Amino acid sequence: QVQLVESGGGVVQPGRSLRLSCAASGFTFSGYTMHWVRQAPGKGLEWVALISYDGSKKYYADSVKGRFTISRDNSKNTLYLQLSSLRVEDTAVYYCARDILVGDTTPFDYWGQGTLVTVSS
Amino acid sequence: DIQLTQSPSFLSASVGDRVTITCRASQGISSHLAWYQQKPGKAPKLLIYAASTLQSGVPSRFSGSGSGTEFTLTISSLQPEDFATYYCQQLNSLYTFGQGTKLEIK
Repeated sequence: QVQLVESGGGVVQPGRSLRLSCAASGFTFSGYTMHWVRQAPGKGLEWVALISYDGSKKYYADSVKGRFTISRDNSKNTLYLQLSSLRVEDTAVYYCARDILVGDTTPFDYWGQGTLVTVSS
Repeated sequence: DIQLTQSPSFLSASVGDRVTITCRASQGISSHLAWYQQKPGKAPKLLIYAASTLQSGVPSRFSGSGSGTEFTLTISSLQPEDFATYYCQQLNSLYTFGQGTKLEIK
Protein backbone atom coordinates (compact mmCIF):
# COMPACT_ATOMS: atom_id res chain seq x y z
CA GLN A 1 0.00 0.00 0.00
CA VAL A 2 1.08 3.58 -0.61
CA GLN A 3 2.93 5.10 2.33
CA LEU A 4 4.52 8.50 2.79
CA VAL A 5 6.44 9.06 6.01
CA GLU A 6 7.85 12.48 6.86
CA SER A 7 10.69 13.11 9.28
CA GLY A 8 13.13 15.83 10.25
CA GLY A 9 10.86 18.28 12.03
CA GLY A 10 11.76 19.90 15.32
CA VAL A 11 12.39 23.16 17.11
CA VAL A 12 14.78 25.57 15.40
CA GLN A 13 15.77 29.20 15.96
CA PRO A 14 14.83 31.94 13.50
CA GLY A 15 17.36 32.25 10.70
CA ARG A 16 18.53 28.66 10.99
CA SER A 17 18.01 25.74 8.60
CA LEU A 18 16.34 22.34 8.66
CA ARG A 19 15.90 19.50 6.18
CA LEU A 20 12.71 17.50 5.99
CA SER A 21 12.49 14.06 4.40
CA CYS A 22 9.57 12.05 3.06
CA ALA A 23 10.15 8.33 2.54
CA ALA A 24 7.85 6.80 -0.05
CA SER A 25 6.86 3.17 -0.46
CA GLY A 26 4.20 1.05 -2.13
CA PHE A 27 4.33 2.76 -5.50
CA THR A 28 6.78 3.69 -8.27
CA PHE A 29 8.08 6.90 -6.70
CA SER A 30 10.02 7.95 -9.80
CA GLY A 31 6.80 8.17 -11.79
CA TYR A 32 5.04 10.83 -9.72
CA THR A 33 5.19 14.57 -9.14
CA MET A 34 5.45 15.26 -5.42
CA HIS A 35 4.49 18.21 -3.23
CA TRP A 36 5.00 19.78 0.17
CA VAL A 37 1.98 21.37 1.85
CA ARG A 38 2.05 23.03 5.27
CA GLN A 39 -0.48 23.91 7.93
CA ALA A 40 0.24 26.43 10.67
CA PRO A 41 -1.27 25.58 14.07
CA GLY A 42 -5.04 26.05 13.94
CA LYS A 43 -4.88 27.39 10.38
CA GLY A 44 -5.64 26.18 6.86
CA LEU A 45 -3.58 24.40 4.26
CA GLU A 46 -0.88 26.18 2.24
CA TRP A 47 0.80 24.64 -0.79
CA VAL A 48 4.58 25.07 -0.51
CA ALA A 49 6.40 23.45 -3.43
CA LEU A 50 6.33 20.79 -6.11
CA ILE A 51 8.92 18.74 -7.97
CA SER A 52 8.30 16.81 -11.16
CA TYR A 53 8.80 13.06 -11.35
CA ASP A 54 12.37 13.42 -12.66
CA GLY A 55 13.34 16.51 -10.68
CA SER A 56 13.58 18.69 -13.76
CA LYS A 57 10.79 21.08 -12.76
CA LYS A 58 10.37 22.80 -9.42
CA TYR A 59 7.85 25.44 -8.36
CA TYR A 60 7.45 27.30 -5.09
CA ALA A 61 4.90 29.42 -3.27
CA ASP A 62 5.92 33.08 -3.14
CA SER A 63 6.08 32.87 0.66
CA VAL A 64 9.04 30.43 0.53
CA LYS A 65 10.70 31.23 -2.79
CA GLY A 66 14.44 31.76 -2.36
CA ARG A 67 14.45 30.21 1.14
CA PHE A 68 13.18 26.65 0.64
CA THR A 69 14.51 24.06 -1.82
CA ILE A 70 12.65 20.93 -2.88
CA SER A 71 14.58 17.93 -4.16
CA ARG A 72 14.25 14.18 -4.57
CA ASP A 73 16.38 11.06 -4.77
CA ASN A 74 14.54 8.50 -6.87
CA SER A 75 17.14 5.84 -6.07
CA LYS A 76 16.18 6.19 -2.39
CA ASN A 77 12.46 6.82 -2.94
CA THR A 78 12.79 9.97 -0.87
CA LEU A 79 11.55 13.55 -1.19
CA TYR A 80 13.28 16.42 0.61
CA LEU A 81 12.57 19.98 1.62
CA GLN A 82 15.49 22.16 2.69
CA LEU A 83 14.23 25.03 4.84
CA SER A 84 16.61 27.98 5.21
CA SER A 85 16.40 31.45 6.74
CA LEU A 86 13.53 30.19 8.82
CA ARG A 87 10.98 32.63 10.23
CA VAL A 88 8.53 32.31 13.09
CA GLU A 89 5.73 32.27 10.51
CA ASP A 90 7.17 29.06 8.98
CA THR A 91 5.99 27.19 12.08
CA ALA A 92 3.66 24.48 10.77
CA VAL A 93 3.03 20.82 10.19
CA TYR A 94 4.65 19.96 6.87
CA TYR A 95 3.00 17.26 4.76
CA CYS A 96 4.35 15.57 1.68
CA ALA A 97 1.77 14.53 -0.90
CA ARG A 98 1.63 12.66 -4.17
CA ASP A 99 -0.27 14.01 -7.12
CA ILE A 100 -2.02 11.98 -9.76
CA LEU A 101 -2.56 13.15 -13.29
CA VAL A 102 -6.18 12.43 -14.20
CA GLY A 103 -7.19 14.02 -17.46
CA ASP A 104 -5.75 17.51 -17.21
CA THR A 105 -5.96 17.86 -13.45
CA THR A 106 -3.55 16.82 -10.69
CA PRO A 107 -5.21 16.30 -7.28
CA PHE A 108 -3.25 15.00 -4.29
CA ASP A 109 -4.34 11.43 -3.62
CA TYR A 110 -1.94 10.35 -0.86
CA TRP A 111 -0.53 12.37 2.02
CA GLY A 112 1.95 11.64 4.78
CA GLN A 113 1.13 12.07 8.46
CA GLY A 114 3.10 15.31 8.68
CA THR A 115 6.12 16.55 10.63
CA LEU A 116 6.00 19.60 12.90
CA VAL A 117 8.47 22.42 12.46
CA THR A 118 8.55 25.01 15.24
CA VAL A 119 10.57 28.17 14.68
CA SER A 120 11.20 29.89 17.98
CA SER A 121 13.97 31.65 19.83
CA ASP B 1 -2.57 34.42 -7.89
CA ILE B 2 -5.93 32.68 -7.76
CA GLN B 3 -7.78 33.11 -4.47
CA LEU B 4 -10.46 30.73 -3.21
CA THR B 5 -13.19 31.79 -0.80
CA GLN B 6 -15.24 29.16 0.98
CA SER B 7 -18.61 29.79 2.60
CA PRO B 8 -19.62 29.34 5.24
CA SER B 9 -16.46 29.15 7.38
CA PHE B 10 -18.41 27.32 10.11
CA LEU B 11 -21.45 25.12 9.73
CA SER B 12 -23.50 23.46 12.44
CA ALA B 13 -25.69 20.55 11.34
CA SER B 14 -27.28 17.33 12.54
CA VAL B 15 -26.88 13.71 11.51
CA GLY B 16 -29.07 13.11 8.48
CA ASP B 17 -28.99 16.73 7.28
CA ARG B 18 -28.12 17.74 3.73
CA VAL B 19 -25.34 20.33 3.68
CA THR B 20 -23.73 22.38 0.95
CA ILE B 21 -20.39 24.20 1.04
CA THR B 22 -19.52 26.77 -1.62
CA CYS B 23 -16.09 27.64 -3.03
CA ARG B 24 -15.63 30.72 -5.21
CA ALA B 25 -12.51 31.37 -7.28
CA SER B 26 -11.17 34.85 -7.99
CA GLN B 27 -10.91 33.95 -11.68
CA GLY B 28 -12.11 31.12 -13.89
CA ILE B 29 -10.48 27.76 -13.25
CA SER B 30 -12.56 25.55 -15.55
CA SER B 31 -13.17 22.32 -13.61
CA HIS B 32 -9.74 22.25 -12.00
CA LEU B 33 -11.01 22.00 -8.44
CA ALA B 34 -10.67 19.36 -5.73
CA TRP B 35 -12.26 18.89 -2.31
CA TYR B 36 -10.56 17.44 0.77
CA GLN B 37 -11.74 16.37 4.21
CA GLN B 38 -9.50 16.80 7.24
CA LYS B 39 -10.07 15.49 10.74
CA PRO B 40 -8.14 16.83 13.76
CA GLY B 41 -4.56 15.63 13.86
CA LYS B 42 -4.86 13.84 10.53
CA ALA B 43 -3.75 14.50 6.97
CA PRO B 44 -6.29 15.72 4.43
CA LYS B 45 -8.18 13.11 2.44
CA LEU B 46 -9.11 13.58 -1.22
CA LEU B 47 -12.87 13.41 -1.75
CA ILE B 48 -13.56 14.88 -5.19
CA TYR B 49 -11.45 16.05 -8.12
CA ALA B 50 -12.20 17.66 -11.47
CA ALA B 51 -15.02 19.43 -9.62
CA SER B 52 -17.39 16.47 -9.67
CA THR B 53 -15.48 13.16 -9.87
CA LEU B 54 -15.68 11.08 -6.72
CA GLN B 55 -12.36 9.63 -5.57
CA SER B 56 -12.32 5.86 -5.30
CA GLY B 57 -13.64 4.63 -1.95
CA VAL B 58 -15.45 7.87 -1.05
CA PRO B 59 -19.13 7.36 -0.15
CA SER B 60 -21.67 8.40 -2.73
CA ARG B 61 -23.36 10.80 -0.30
CA PHE B 62 -20.57 13.22 -1.25
CA SER B 63 -20.98 15.08 -4.53
CA GLY B 64 -19.44 18.08 -6.22
CA SER B 65 -20.53 20.45 -8.94
CA GLY B 66 -19.60 23.65 -10.67
CA SER B 67 -17.18 25.11 -13.16
CA GLY B 68 -15.56 28.43 -13.86
CA THR B 69 -15.65 30.38 -10.61
CA GLU B 70 -18.34 28.76 -8.46
CA PHE B 71 -18.29 25.26 -7.01
CA THR B 72 -20.21 23.31 -4.40
CA LEU B 73 -19.62 20.28 -2.22
CA THR B 74 -22.79 18.57 -1.04
CA ILE B 75 -23.20 15.88 1.58
CA SER B 76 -26.64 14.38 1.04
CA SER B 77 -27.19 12.84 4.48
CA LEU B 78 -24.63 13.65 7.17
CA GLN B 79 -23.09 10.73 9.03
CA PRO B 80 -21.26 11.03 12.37
CA GLU B 81 -17.90 10.48 10.67
CA ASP B 82 -18.47 13.44 8.32
CA PHE B 83 -17.94 16.08 11.00
CA ALA B 84 -14.60 17.54 9.96
CA THR B 85 -13.06 20.49 8.13
CA TYR B 86 -13.43 20.68 4.36
CA TYR B 87 -11.09 22.45 1.95
CA CYS B 88 -11.37 23.25 -1.72
CA GLN B 89 -8.20 23.43 -3.84
CA GLN B 90 -7.66 24.95 -7.26
CA LEU B 91 -5.31 23.11 -9.61
CA ASN B 92 -5.54 25.46 -12.58
CA SER B 93 -2.51 27.67 -11.88
CA LEU B 94 -0.17 26.04 -9.40
CA TYR B 95 -2.19 25.36 -6.27
CA THR B 96 -4.29 27.27 -3.74
CA PHE B 97 -6.54 26.08 -0.95
CA GLY B 98 -9.65 27.74 0.39
CA GLN B 99 -9.63 28.80 4.02
CA GLY B 100 -11.69 25.80 5.10
CA THR B 101 -15.19 25.07 6.37
CA LYS B 102 -15.53 23.49 9.79
CA LEU B 103 -18.58 21.26 9.99
CA GLU B 104 -19.73 20.75 13.56
CA ILE B 105 -22.44 18.71 15.21
CA LYS B 106 -25.51 20.73 16.21
